[in-house]
Amino acid sequence: EIVMTQSPATLSVSPGERATLSCRASQSVNSNLAWYQQKPGRAPRLLIYAASTRATGIPGRFSGSGSGTEFTLTISSLQSEDFAVYYCQQYNNWAAFGQGTKLEIK
Amino acid sequence: EVQLVQSGAEVKKPGEFLKISCETSGYSFTTFWIAWVRQMPGKGLEWMGVIYPGDSGTRYSPSFQGQVTISAAKSISTAYLQWNSLRASDTAMYYCARHIVGGDGAYRHLDYWGQGALVTVSS
Repeated sequence: EIVMTQSPATLSVSPGERATLSCRASQSVNSNLAWYQQKPGRAPRLLIYAASTRATGIPGRFSGSGSGTEFTLTISSLQSEDFAVYYCQQYNNWAAFGQGTKLEIK
Repeated sequence: EVQLVQSGAEVKKPGEFLKISCETSGYSFTTFWIAWVRQMPGKGLEWMGVIYPGDSGTRYSPSFQGQVTISAAKSISTAYLQWNSLRASDTAMYYCARHIVGGDGAYRHLDYWGQGALVTVSS
C-alpha cells in the first residue's frame, strides 16, 4: 500500500506571497498524482492532475511539478480565496490521499 | 453538464443497515469509474473503493474491504454505498466522485464530486 505524506501540516502565508506545498509517496507513483483544494463545508475540487496539468478553469497561479516520489504544488501569488486545505492523491496503485496541508492567512 | 447528486443526511443507530446513493447525469454512466471517499469529522480524505458500472467490477481499499459494499444500477445511472451493520466509527461525510479513465482503462484522477452525504451513527 502506497502512503502519501504531505508537508507541512499547516502553512501560514500572507496574501500576495508564494506558497509551496509538498507531497511525498512511499514508492514511485510515476506522474499519477493529483492535487485537490477543499474549503470548509464543500466537496474537494480538482486542481492538478498528471502531476503538472491544470484542470479546466484553474487559474495559472496554480502549478504542479514532480514525478516518482516527490511532488510540489505552488501557488504563485496567494489570493484570499486560496486559503483552504490541499490534498495530494496518487492513482498509480489503487488510490490514496495525503493527510492534507492547511493553508492559512499569516 | 456532469452532475453527481447524493442522497441526504442520515442519522442511524449502531447495528442498523444503511444504503446511500449517488445519482449521476450528463455523461455515460457505464464508462467511468465511480469512487467513494470518506471524511471523518475534522479529518482528511480517505479513498474507500470504486465501481465500474459497465461490468459492476469493484475494488476496495484494504481498510474498507469487508466493511462496506459498493454497487450500481445502470438503468438509473446511480451508484450506492452500503453498510449492513453500522458502527459509531462510521460517522463521517461520504463523497462520491467520478474517476477519469486512462487509455488503459485504469482509473485516474477524480474530476467531478457529489455534494457529500453526512452519516451520523449514535445510540
